[in-house]
Amino acid sequence: QQQVKQSPQSLIVQKGGISIINCAYENTAFDYFPWYQQFPGKGPALLIAIRPDVSEKKEGRFTISFNKSAKQFSLHIMDSQPGDSATYFCAAAGDFGNEKLTFGTGTRLTIIP
Amino acid sequence: GAVVSQHPSRVICKSGTSVKIECRSLDFQATTMFWYRQFPKKSLMLMATSNEGSKATYEQGVEKDKFLINHASLTLSTLTVTSAHPEDSSFYICSARTQNTEAFFGQGTRLTVV
Repeated sequence: QQQVKQSPQSLIVQKGGISIINCAYENTAFDYFPWYQQFPGKGPALLIAIRPDVSEKKEGRFTISFNKSAKQFSLHIMDSQPGDSATYFCAAAGDFGNEKLTFGTGTRLTIIP
Repeated sequence: GAVVSQHPSRVICKSGTSVKIECRSLDFQATTMFWYRQFPKKSLMLMATSNEGSKATYEQGVEKDKFLINHASLTLSTLTVTSAHPEDSSFYICSARTQNTEAFFGQGTRLTVV
């Protein structure tokens, strides 16, 4: 029940295209859903996060879509750039993020020219 | 965002020795720090959670006598890998937060045991 399932495992998108990564969770106590970006040899960095009181949150080229009834959330990267090539992790936590994070398995995104 | 500094970024040690990794919150007081281990091309695996001034809570399967965690102040937590062996080679990452704030991650430490 603590798992967060993430897909796809890897994704190749052409420059300027839209990158979409999906996550699904089971634990209904989760109420904080962040996305992290990780470059090789570095720690993860928070990209954007959402709480279940809204269905969508947008920050620049990054958008989280959240479907509470389906227990799914996704990251959309608009106008994808080569600098976006990285590994992306979704995560979930309870108590508005005060509990420990449960991470998805990661998606390796490659943006090609 | 807030800064979490991890030191060293890379360390090579001989089998049987111990190595200490430091995690510092530079511009905020971290009531809770987390230690993760990450294998190549894999997700982050939580090892333990530590609150300042109290004993760390270890995840199931993590040997607390092998991975010693100390959270002595609101800005510093340390992870000591004792009697390291090649199978302990990994990427170790800390994160820190205060109540009701996001968690900020360090840059990670690449440990290689030879």
